[in-house]
Amino acid sequence: DAGITQSPRHKVTETGTPVTLRCHQTENHRYMYWYRQDPGHGLRLIHYSYGVKDTDKGEVSDGYSVSRSKTEDFLLTLESATSSQTSVYFCAIPRSPSSGANVLTFGAGSRLTVL
Amino acid sequence: GQQLNQSPQSMFIQEGEDVSMNCTSSSIFNTWLWYKQDPGEGPVLLIALYKAGELTSNGRLTAQFGITRKDSFLNISASIPSDVGIYFCAGYNTDKLIFGTGTRLQVFP
Repeated sequence: DAGITQSPRHKVTETGTPVTLRCHQTENHRYMYWYRQDPGHGLRLIHYSYGVKDTDKGEVSDGYSVSRSKTEDFLLTLESATSSQTSVYFCAIPRSPSSGANVLTFGAGSRLTVL
Repeated sequence: GQQLNQSPQSMFIQEGEDVSMNCTSSSIFNTWLWYKQDPGEGPVLLIALYKAGELTSNGRLTAQFGITRKDSFLNISASIPSDVGIYFCAGYNTDKLIFGTGTRLQVFP
């Protein structure tokens, strides 16, 4: 969607290796979110950020860390990837600068496979 | 954590038929949203609901914010092949958006 891009879009890695996914926004919004999507579970919140250097955990944060050193970038890191972290990862931002954090626009997703 | 129960899990319908799906929760939400996801893409917002009892339409789609604030409904009238996809409900509470598990819709000509 316009204003939010994720990279890489696809990645295959091996168990135990570190992985970093990047979310970049051009909307200058305070809030940014990382979700994972798995069959039968819908989208589950991993971490979110409410400003530069301000982050908090979601419901499935174990095994993940995040960083937000500037407004436009929100990084999701798997310090030591496991097969259970094979998933599709979505970044999201509020739909408009004036809207609250209750209506989100999603990126196109990053498909991660951990062998 | 909080969960949204979305039903049905999947639907197989003929083109032209109407579709209904719903989402229920044990928690109260301040906002209900409905998203559609096509294969290989991120979810796209269809309808946003902000008040209990609110009924909102977007073309052939109509959604309602349940009066108890614990449920929401989405109806699609006169389905067409491009309606195929996965539909997600989502409820907003405090500072988090919680998603349902999705309804997969297949439309046959």
